[in-house]
Amino acid sequence: AQSVTQPDIHITVSEGASLELRCNYSYGATPYLFWYVQSPGQGLQLLLKYFSGDTLVQGIKGFEAEFKRSQSSFNLRKPSVHWSDAAEYFCASEVWIYRDDKIIFGKGTRLHILP
Amino acid sequence: GAGVSQSPRYKVAKRGQDVALRCDPISGHVSLFWYQQALGQGPEFLTYFQNEAQLDKSGLPSDRFFAERPEGSVSTLKIQRTQQEDSAVYLCASSLLGTSYYEQYFGPGTRLTVT
Repeated sequence: AQSVTQPDIHITVSEGASLELRCNYSYGATPYLFWYVQSPGQGLQLLLKYFSGDTLVQGIKGFEAEFKRSQSSFNLRKPSVHWSDAAEYFCASEVWIYRDDKIIFGKGTRLHILP
Repeated sequence: GAGVSQSPRYKVAKRGQDVALRCDPISGHVSLFWYQQALGQGPEFLTYFQNEAQLDKSGLPSDRFFAERPEGSVSTLKIQRTQQEDSAVYLCASSLLGTSYYEQYFGPGTRLTVT
């Protein structure tokens, strides 16, 4: 079955440091991939998405992600984190089941920022 | 414009009670999705509407769960005879059209606690 794996449940970085959140997917065809952020009490917000083309995608809030087919990965990066980036981050993939497509999510990585 | 809204934001139900959760999508959005997010997990797909038609309900965990969108706008997720395992955050999302190509906009969720 298709799945999305986020190996790190919690990540702690210092404010101003760089960030990389890992995501691995299992899907045979070229996947559609997403990163969402969920702040406490808020709904999920789309940070960026990859459908095709350039494997390095830029998103909102200074985030970027790189699709690497050989590693089945879609890691999220930010060169310098801000305290406001503390949140839970979800990697997701589109899957096609019969004629419908739906999004499946990883279990999330909670990002903590040290002042 | 207004985003996706959900009500109530919090609901406490005694085991065995019926609950109804409401979702107001973004005006003009054709597609509406319900997800269940258990504590420490990513959202899991429950069901999908295109206008008033429920095209996919494969994620509904049991026949106690029922969703409707009678006029193609507001949707209600009903859970009958609630059980403790139903405790979760229920997220609603809407999108312009039904494929993952179009961004899904999420509401803040309804946190259901079954005691």
